[in-house]
Amino acid sequence: DVKVTQSSRYLVKRTGEKVFLECVQDMDHENMFWYRQDPGLGLRLIYFSYDVKMKEKGDIPEGYSVSREKKERFSLILESASTNQTSMYLCASNLGTGIHQPQHFGDGTRLSIL
Amino acid sequence: AQKVTQAQTEISVVEKEDVTLDCVYETRDTTYYLFWYKQPPSGELVFLIRRNSFDEQNEISGRYSWNFQKSTSSFNFTITASQVVDSAVYFCALSEALIQGAQKLVFGQGTRLTINP
Repeated sequence: DVKVTQSSRYLVKRTGEKVFLECVQDMDHENMFWYRQDPGLGLRLIYFSYDVKMKEKGDIPEGYSVSREKKERFSLILESASTNQTSMYLCASNLGTGIHQPQHFGDGTRLSIL
Repeated sequence: AQKVTQAQTEISVVEKEDVTLDCVYETRDTTYYLFWYKQPPSGELVFLIRRNSFDEQNEISGRYSWNFQKSTSSFNFTITASQVVDSAVYFCALSEALIQGAQKLVFGQGTRLTINP
């Protein structure tokens, strides 16, 4: 079974802090993704990576950055946290080859910015 | 741009009833993939099904069935004889090609399904 592990289920931070969300997958997947989930909006893509050190912006990258130094690990960084970044964050991964492989998701991190 | 609409925000039924979750999509691509995911209260999204645009056959998996109709751009999901464990938020999604072989999922807003005992 594919396992995508997010480092924290719940996180509380203060405005202006630098926040790191970590994600690790154990299936040697090429692609990794960060989404945020908000009520009534579904999931929206923040950033994705198709290889080590490669990253691309998704639909809502403002206020975020990412890092992928190793294939199995994809980090989401909030450079200076703001209250409008309070949300549920979901990491996902899938194979880079083949056709539109299903994405496998972690349990999510519920982040509150005070 | 790709778009997925799940018009039903919340549905509540009594156990053993059948329930259908609607999904309508928009795309300019001739080849595309559709997905359904389930998000139980624990939070993780669980993959249920993937369907490509060339295969319009309905699919059945136990109590779950999916009806894909290209003519109406719909990919509806039916649970037969619902159970309390089916309570979750269900997302329909459309796969959009990115670069280097990666694809992103364009999600609908989700439908919260509550099955009452």
